[in-house]
Amino acid sequence: GQNIDQPTEMTATEGAIVQINCTYQTSGFNGLFWYQQHAGEAPTFLSYNVLDGLEEKGRFSSFLSRSKGYSYLLLKELQMKDSASYLCAVQDSNYQLIWGAGTKLIIKP
Amino acid sequence: GAVVSQHPSWVICKSGTSVKIECRSLDFQATTMFWYRQFPKQSLMLMATSNEGSKATYEQGVEKDKFLINHASLTLSTLTVTSAHPEDSSFYICSARVPDRGSYEQYFGPGTRLTVT
Repeated sequence: GQNIDQPTEMTATEGAIVQINCTYQTSGFNGLFWYQQHAGEAPTFLSYNVLDGLEEKGRFSSFLSRSKGYSYLLLKELQMKDSASYLCAVQDSNYQLIWGAGTKLIIKP
Repeated sequence: GAVVSQHPSWVICKSGTSVKIECRSLDFQATTMFWYRQFPKQSLMLMATSNEGSKATYEQGVEKDKFLINHASLTLSTLTVTSAHPEDSSFYICSARVPDRGSYEQYFGPGTRLTVT
């Protein structure tokens, strides 16, 4: 079966760094996405990885290891507005997105 | 670019009535759109894939006669919840793929919050 695992909830301090992990088992792989979703709003795109390695985009970075079925999203210099749910999604062989349940990130001052 | 709109943003209806939600790609043509449902504190659940000019592909467990999807043009897909019941109350989100983008990234509309009383 297809499965995406990520922690349910994480807490971090403003100004700090946090790493959100995602492991996956899917039928085929055509890229991994990270989306941010604030409560009551639709998801917004953060990053896309299809090759192994680290993709850096400002305060956010995303890493992928296809051999390990593993990715992480790294958030630096945390701000209160980063409090949100972070969704990991894998695109399978049919280019369908398989979604994780999301990680709720709580930022404390 | 790649803006997706939804209308209405929220709707309250009585049990037994039907509600139509529109999803539009504003600055691109979307051959494929997706409809999701999300319950509180849960992740997105794909309901169906909508292809322009053809019948939608529904996910297992989603009633096609209850959730009618029409993708009549390259910029518009509609979801009609027929004979709505309180258990249909949810956050409905559409998304569209941008063609010619190798990542097949999906852009999401702002969502429609449906409350059935």
